[in-house]
Amino acid sequence: QKEVEQDPGPLSVPEGAIVSLNCTYSNSAFQYFMWYRQYSRKGPELLMYTYSSGNKEDGRFTAQVDKSSKYISLFIRDSQPSDSATYLCAMSRLSGQNFVFGPGTRLSVLP
Amino acid sequence: EAGVTQFPSHSVIEKGQTVTLRCDPISGHDNLYWYRRVMGKEIKFLLHFVKESKQDESGMPNNRFLAERTGGTYSTLKVQPAELEDSGVYFCASSHDKSSYNSPLHFGNGTRLTVT
Repeated sequence: QKEVEQDPGPLSVPEGAIVSLNCTYSNSAFQYFMWYRQYSRKGPELLMYTYSSGNKEDGRFTAQVDKSSKYISLFIRDSQPSDSATYLCAMSRLSGQNFVFGPGTRLSVLP
Repeated sequence: EAGVTQFPSHSVIEKGQTVTLRCDPISGHDNLYWYRRVMGKEIKFLLHFVKESKQDESGMPNNRFLAERTGGTYSTLKVQPAELEDSGVYFCASSHDKSSYNSPLHFGNGTRLTVT
């Protein structure tokens, strides 16, 4: 079993839809969680960074962490074609320690 | 603020040759990380520098890989001799303060290495 699982997609949604992206993990010691967006031929771009359980909102993006279920989510409201990318979750036990990545979910937002 | 820069963006070499990848972190970032994604797999950690010291090199696949960060600024990752399975995208990332919660990783655009 991989440490971090993520539905690879591809996921296609119409413009304006609410998108839900999810990761599950097996290591209960993970405390720091990140979501990255990666466009083709580019490096991962940080979207959200959260610690422990709870919600964090930034514009159209909301990150949720449920440590009891070992489950994290990223919600994108009012999705735009420019949101079409691969979304990666990453997590670590300690801040600054190496992060473990999920395989990524490819998202296409259709105009 | 300039981001993390990596050079070259793409390298094609033959099996058995040597390749050196370079990473310039964001100025002032003491933490520098190397990650790679091989075909069809997730991004995986290779190693972590704090300034010029190797903090964690548990992800280095074998002794054909050598990373250096002389002077605690830029870093190089040398693969010698390269094998076919080394093909992939090598990412460098940096962060400011290891102990700070508000210190996430900032990635470069990667070096795409193809070994033929």
